[in-house]
Amino acid sequence: AQSVTQPDIHITVSEGASLELRCNYSYGATPYLFWYVQSPGQGLQLLLKYFSGDTLVQGIKGFEAEFKRSQSSFNLRKPSVHWSDAAEYFCAVGASGGGADGLTFGKGTHLIIQP
Amino acid sequence: AAGVIQSPRHLIKEKRETATLKCYPIPRHDTVYWYQQGPGQDPQFLISFYEKMQSDKGSIPDRFSAQQFSDYHSELNMSSLELGDSALYFCASSKRPSSHEQYFGPGTRLTVT
Repeated sequence: AQSVTQPDIHITVSEGASLELRCNYSYGATPYLFWYVQSPGQGLQLLLKYFSGDTLVQGIKGFEAEFKRSQSSFNLRKPSVHWSDAAEYFCAVGASGGGADGLTFGKGTHLIIQP
Repeated sequence: AAGVIQSPRHLIKEKRETATLKCYPIPRHDTVYWYQQGPGQDPQFLISFYEKMQSDKGSIPDRFSAQQFSDYHSELNMSSLELGDSALYFCASSKRPSSHEQYFGPGTRLTVT
Protein backbone atom coordinates (compact mmCIF):
# COMPACT_ATOMS: atom_id res chain seq x y z
CA ALA A 1 0.00 0.00 0.00
CA GLN A 2 1.18 3.49 -0.76
CA SER A 3 1.84 6.09 1.92
CA VAL A 4 2.98 9.69 2.21
CA THR A 5 4.90 11.36 5.01
CA GLN A 6 5.10 15.09 5.49
CA PRO A 7 7.52 15.46 8.40
CA ASP A 8 6.74 19.09 9.18
CA ILE A 9 3.33 19.83 10.69
CA HIS A 10 3.97 23.59 10.82
CA ILE A 11 6.51 25.76 9.06
CA THR A 12 7.00 29.49 9.60
CA VAL A 13 8.74 31.53 6.92
CA SER A 14 9.32 35.24 6.57
CA GLU A 15 7.75 36.95 3.59
CA GLY A 16 10.23 37.05 0.74
CA ALA A 17 12.25 34.12 2.05
CA SER A 18 12.62 30.81 0.27
CA LEU A 19 10.49 27.80 1.13
CA GLU A 20 10.92 24.04 1.01
CA LEU A 21 8.20 21.64 2.15
CA ARG A 22 9.23 18.02 2.51
CA CYS A 23 7.39 14.98 1.27
CA ASN A 24 8.44 11.34 1.34
CA TYR A 25 6.42 8.59 -0.26
CA SER A 26 6.27 4.83 -0.21
CA TYR A 27 5.15 3.02 -3.34
CA GLY A 28 6.32 -0.12 -5.11
CA ALA A 29 6.68 1.37 -8.60
CA THR A 30 7.09 4.83 -10.05
CA PRO A 31 4.27 6.78 -8.46
CA TYR A 32 2.17 9.67 -9.53
CA LEU A 33 2.93 12.54 -7.15
CA PHE A 34 1.01 15.71 -6.43
CA TRP A 35 1.08 18.84 -4.33
CA TYR A 36 -2.20 20.49 -3.39
CA VAL A 37 -2.85 23.72 -1.49
CA GLN A 38 -5.88 24.37 0.67
CA SER A 39 -6.96 27.62 2.29
CA PRO A 40 -9.13 27.36 5.42
CA GLY A 41 -12.55 25.91 4.62
CA GLN A 42 -11.77 25.83 0.92
CA GLY A 43 -11.23 23.18 -1.70
CA LEU A 44 -8.05 21.58 -2.94
CA GLN A 45 -6.09 23.39 -5.60
CA LEU A 46 -3.54 21.41 -7.59
CA LEU A 47 -0.14 23.12 -7.58
CA LEU A 48 1.78 20.59 -9.65
CA LYS A 49 2.10 16.91 -10.45
CA TYR A 50 4.70 14.43 -11.59
CA PHE A 51 4.23 11.11 -13.34
CA SER A 52 7.08 10.83 -15.82
CA GLY A 53 9.81 12.72 -17.61
CA ASP A 54 11.76 15.63 -16.20
CA THR A 55 12.15 15.21 -12.46
CA LEU A 56 11.92 18.96 -11.84
CA VAL A 57 8.31 20.00 -12.22
CA GLN A 58 7.05 23.55 -12.51
CA GLY A 59 3.67 24.45 -11.13
CA ILE A 60 1.40 27.38 -10.62
CA LYS A 61 2.07 30.38 -8.36
CA GLY A 62 5.84 30.04 -8.79
CA PHE A 63 6.10 26.64 -7.10
CA GLU A 64 8.31 23.79 -8.25
CA ALA A 65 9.01 20.30 -6.98
CA GLU A 66 11.76 17.77 -7.60
CA PHE A 67 11.22 14.03 -7.76
CA LYS A 68 14.15 12.10 -6.29
CA ARG A 69 13.65 8.39 -6.68
CA SER A 70 16.73 7.49 -4.62
CA GLN A 71 15.34 9.41 -1.65
CA SER A 72 11.65 8.64 -2.27
CA SER A 73 11.05 12.36 -2.00
CA PHE A 74 9.04 15.00 -3.79
CA ASN A 75 9.85 18.28 -2.03
CA LEU A 76 8.03 21.49 -2.87
CA ARG A 77 9.98 24.71 -3.24
CA LYS A 78 9.40 28.38 -3.86
CA PRO A 79 12.20 30.96 -4.08
CA SER A 80 10.28 33.83 -2.48
CA VAL A 81 7.03 33.42 -0.54
CA HIS A 82 4.20 35.91 -0.41
CA TRP A 83 1.77 36.44 2.45
CA SER A 84 -0.95 34.91 0.26
CA ASP A 85 0.93 31.59 0.29
CA ALA A 86 -0.15 30.97 3.89
CA ALA A 87 -2.25 27.81 3.71
CA GLU A 88 -2.23 24.06 4.25
CA TYR A 89 -0.14 22.07 1.79
CA PHE A 90 -0.78 18.42 1.03
CA CYS A 91 1.47 16.01 -0.78
CA ALA A 92 -0.33 13.06 -2.38
CA VAL A 93 0.57 9.86 -4.18
CA GLY A 94 -1.46 7.98 -6.75
CA ALA A 95 -1.11 4.50 -8.15
CA SER A 96 0.33 4.27 -11.63
CA GLY A 97 -1.63 1.16 -12.56
CA GLY A 98 -4.31 2.93 -14.56
CA GLY A 99 -7.33 2.18 -12.39
CA ALA A 100 -9.68 4.58 -10.66
CA ASP A 101 -7.59 4.44 -7.52
CA GLY A 102 -7.95 7.07 -4.88
CA LEU A 103 -5.09 9.34 -3.98
CA THR A 104 -3.31 8.91 -0.66
CA PHE A 105 -2.58 12.19 1.05
CA GLY A 106 -0.01 13.16 3.65
CA LYS A 107 -1.10 14.78 6.90
CA GLY A 108 -0.34 18.22 5.54
CA THR A 109 2.04 21.06 6.39
CA HIS A 110 0.61 24.30 7.72
CA LEU A 111 2.55 27.23 6.29
CA ILE A 112 2.68 30.46 8.29
CA ILE A 113 4.11 33.59 6.71
CA GLN A 114 5.69 36.20 8.97
CA PRO A 115 5.66 39.83 7.81
CA ALA B 1 -13.83 25.82 -18.20
CA ALA B 2 -16.51 23.77 -16.50
CA GLY B 3 -15.57 22.31 -13.15
CA VAL B 4 -16.90 19.64 -10.83
CA ILE B 5 -20.14 20.70 -9.20
CA GLN B 6 -21.14 19.56 -5.76
CA SER B 7 -24.42 20.17 -4.03
CA PRO B 8 -25.34 21.23 -1.54
CA ARG B 9 -22.30 23.25 -0.51
CA HIS B 10 -23.34 23.21 3.13
CA LEU B 11 -25.58 20.78 4.97
CA ILE B 12 -26.60 20.55 8.60
CA LYS B 13 -28.12 17.35 9.91
CA GLU B 14 -28.88 15.88 13.28
CA LYS B 15 -27.56 12.61 14.64
CA ARG B 16 -29.22 9.50 13.21
CA GLU B 17 -30.55 11.42 10.20
CA THR B 18 -29.65 10.65 6.60
CA ALA B 19 -27.89 12.87 4.07
CA THR B 20 -27.39 12.74 0.33
CA LEU B 21 -24.54 14.54 -1.35
CA LYS B 22 -24.46 15.04 -5.10
CA CYS B 23 -21.57 15.34 -7.51
CA TYR B 24 -21.73 16.41 -11.14
CA PRO B 25 -18.47 15.63 -12.95
CA ILE B 26 -16.83 17.73 -15.60
CA PRO B 27 -18.57 17.12 -18.96
CA ARG B 28 -17.27 13.99 -20.70
CA HIS B 29 -15.67 12.71 -17.50
CA ASP B 30 -16.84 9.18 -16.73
CA THR B 31 -15.04 8.47 -13.45
CA VAL B 32 -15.96 9.88 -10.06
CA TYR B 33 -14.12 9.72 -6.73
CA TRP B 34 -15.33 10.61 -3.23
CA TYR B 35 -13.12 11.82 -0.37
CA GLN B 36 -13.80 12.77 3.25
CA GLN B 37 -11.75 15.37 5.10
CA GLY B 38 -12.36 15.68 8.82
CA PRO B 39 -11.47 18.88 10.72
CA GLY B 40 -7.71 19.34 10.65
CA GLN B 41 -7.25 16.07 8.80
CA ASP B 42 -6.01 15.01 5.40
CA PRO B 43 -8.52 13.90 2.77
CA GLN B 44 -9.34 10.20 2.92
CA PHE B 45 -10.44 8.30 -0.16
CA LEU B 46 -13.87 6.71 0.20
CA ILE B 47 -14.93 5.18 -3.12
CA SER B 48 -14.75 5.57 -6.88
CA PHE B 49 -16.96 4.73 -9.85
CA TYR B 50 -16.26 4.16 -13.52
CA GLU B 51 -19.05 3.75 -16.04
CA LYS B 52 -21.58 3.37 -13.21
CA MET B 53 -19.67 0.49 -11.62
CA GLN B 54 -17.79 0.68 -8.35
CA SER B 55 -14.11 0.76 -9.20
CA ASP B 56 -12.10 1.16 -6.02
CA LYS B 57 -13.04 1.24 -2.36
CA GLY B 58 -11.28 3.00 0.45
CA SER B 59 -12.28 3.69 4.02
CA ILE B 60 -16.00 4.11 3.43
CA PRO B 61 -18.18 3.20 6.45
CA ASP B 62 -20.89 0.60 5.98
CA ARG B 63 -23.47 3.29 6.78
CA PHE B 64 -22.47 5.08 3.58
CA SER B 65 -23.34 4.03 0.08
CA ALA B 66 -22.80 5.62 -3.27
CA GLN B 67 -23.73 5.16 -6.86
CA GLN B 68 -23.12 6.65 -10.27
CA PHE B 69 -25.98 7.28 -12.64
CA SER B 70 -26.32 7.05 -16.41
CA ASP B 71 -25.50 10.75 -16.80
CA TYR B 72 -22.31 10.08 -14.75
CA HIS B 73 -23.34 12.16 -11.78
CA SER B 74 -22.85 10.47 -8.44
CA GLU B 75 -24.60 10.52 -5.09
CA LEU B 76 -23.17 9.69 -1.69
CA ASN B 77 -25.83 8.49 0.72
CA MET B 78 -25.08 8.63 4.41
CA SER B 79 -27.37 7.07 6.98
CA SER B 80 -27.48 7.00 10.79
CA LEU B 81 -25.30 10.07 10.88
CA GLU B 82 -22.84 10.42 13.73
CA LEU B 83 -21.09 13.49 15.08
CA GLY B 84 -17.86 12.11 13.66
CA ASP B 85 -19.27 12.30 10.14
CA SER B 86 -18.95 16.09 10.27
CA ALA B 87 -16.44 16.81 7.55
CA LEU B 88 -15.77 18.29 4.16
CA TYR B 89 -16.72 15.84 1.42
CA PHE B 90 -14.94 16.22 -1.89
CA CYS B 91 -15.85 14.76 -5.19
CA ALA B 92 -13.33 14.50 -8.01
CA SER B 93 -13.73 13.41 -11.60
CA SER B 94 -11.50 12.19 -14.40
CA LYS B 95 -11.92 11.50 -18.10
CA ARG B 96 -11.05 7.85 -17.57
CA PRO B 97 -9.90 5.77 -14.61
CA SER B 98 -6.70 7.52 -13.72
CA SER B 99 -5.22 8.57 -10.45
CA HIS B 100 -3.26 11.40 -12.01
CA GLU B 101 -6.02 13.35 -13.70
CA GLN B 102 -8.48 13.90 -10.90
CA TYR B 103 -10.13 17.31 -10.77
CA PHE B 104 -11.61 18.20 -7.40
CA GLY B 105 -14.87 19.96 -6.70
CA PRO B 106 -15.30 22.66 -4.05
CA GLY B 107 -16.64 20.22 -1.47
CA THR B 108 -19.76 19.86 0.64
CA ARG B 109 -19.42 20.79 4.28
CA LEU B 110 -21.54 18.45 6.38
CA THR B 111 -22.20 19.35 10.00
CA VAL B 112 -23.88 16.80 12.23
CA THR B 113 -25.34 18.17 15.47
